[in-house]
Amino acid sequence: NAGVTQTPKFQVLKTGQSMTLQCAQDMNHEYMSWYRQDPGMGLRLIHYSVGAGITDQGEVPNGYNVSRSTTEDFPLRLLSAAPSQTSVYFCASNTGTTDNEQFFGPGTRLTVL
Amino acid sequence: AQSVTQPDIHITVSEGASLELRCNYSYGATPYLFWYVQSPGQGLQLLLKYFSGDTLVQGIKGFEAEFKRSQSSFNLRKPSVHWSDAAEYFCAVGAGKSTFGDGTTLTVKP
Repeated sequence: NAGVTQTPKFQVLKTGQSMTLQCAQDMNHEYMSWYRQDPGMGLRLIHYSVGAGITDQGEVPNGYNVSRSTTEDFPLRLLSAAPSQTSVYFCASNTGTTDNEQFFGPGTRLTVL
Repeated sequence: AQSVTQPDIHITVSEGASLELRCNYSYGATPYLFWYVQSPGQGLQLLLKYFSGDTLVQGIKGFEAEFKRSQSSFNLRKPSVHWSDAAEYFCAVGAGKSTFGDGTTLTVKP
């Protein structure tokens, strides 16, 4: 199993550009989430999904869009990048049962100029 | 709403010394608690988790944590720290949609 994979690993954007961060998992997990990590602020939840076709907002959803057309994939779209979106983005998946931990991808480091 | 507080931003210990990282949580019901470790440039790896039963839980790499409901705490401990333990440590509450603390950076002195 590859676990949770994310592409790209690094990305530089200009303000106003759009892009999609890819996330895929091969563990047949129902739950998938996107977090951003900023220095001194831990991980903050952007969006999450409890299954194909179902998504919901997390703590910091503004400027981001998600969809979940399959169990495996959960892409994160930046609609119009801003410098405040410079961060490290982590995708995670989990079975959705209450005792199960998150499985994290390796992260995407995004810089918006 | 669930929340997690890690009071210590940065801790430095000598190699071979004991370690305790603090975590306090707020949660409406029985909490599901986790400790993760993140090495530089890496994703997060689970160290241990608690959801019921024995309040002292054992994890990987010689770590353990004790759940204390009366203190709303879930502190992480290790009796003897190794240089390879230098990393950032995150406490989290909730499964599926987890809430994370801000993290504690551990530095290990030789």
